[in-house]
Amino acid sequence: DTEVTQTPKHLVMGMTNKKSLKCEQHMGHRAMYWYKQKAKKPPELMFVYSYEKLSINESVPSRFSPECPNSSLLNLHLHALQPEDSALYLCASSQGQTGGSVYGYTFGSGTRLTVV
Amino acid sequence: GQNIDQPTEMTATEGAIVQINCTYQTSGFNGLFWYQQHAGEAPTFLSYNVLDGLEEKGRFSSFLSRSKGYSYLLLKELQMKDSASYLCAVPPLGGGNKLTFGTGTQLKVEL
Repeated sequence: DTEVTQTPKHLVMGMTNKKSLKCEQHMGHRAMYWYKQKAKKPPELMFVYSYEKLSINESVPSRFSPECPNSSLLNLHLHALQPEDSALYLCASSQGQTGGSVYGYTFGSGTRLTVV
Repeated sequence: GQNIDQPTEMTATEGAIVQINCTYQTSGFNGLFWYQQHAGEAPTFLSYNVLDGLEEKGRFSSFLSRSKGYSYLLLKELQMKDSASYLCAVPPLGGGNKLTFGTGTQLKVEL
């Protein structure tokens, strides 16, 4: 299995809703990531988990809450989002140290989130 | 910190060759990645350069000059399906998990 699987593919939620994005990989990768991507912009890093521990939080608002239940799963819990949070949310994984991995990241196909 | 620049858009003709440039300024260097991203899809890995020179892989080649802080992606025999965004990205010095992406170049291939 060489894929990162994200669900759901599309999500529409109201500003008072609570929802979760899910990400799963079975490549034995020990680092997992959440990126946010607006249209025609590059992906922007949100969170990094390394060996199931949060190692980087890029000053993301608390309405986004990551969780790593085990080495294969990564969740992003959403609560009280704003319309400007509408974007493509990408999950990625890597073997560990990015510089030591010639393949860099493996990305999931993303969740297209619309906040209304 | 890291600063990565790419042209925003490029247009080329089917069957032609196109070169997409990337310049970077980093406090150190630990290799450079190129990714391809079709609209609404995940970025997919194209190449990784850590030493100077040209790496060829089928229709796609990637070049690196560390002294100039410069890389390019060369696409030959362009096909319509090559219309996509091309992102260069650098990891932090010493490894680590934070991959920083350039602004991306939107390539449009026309008949």
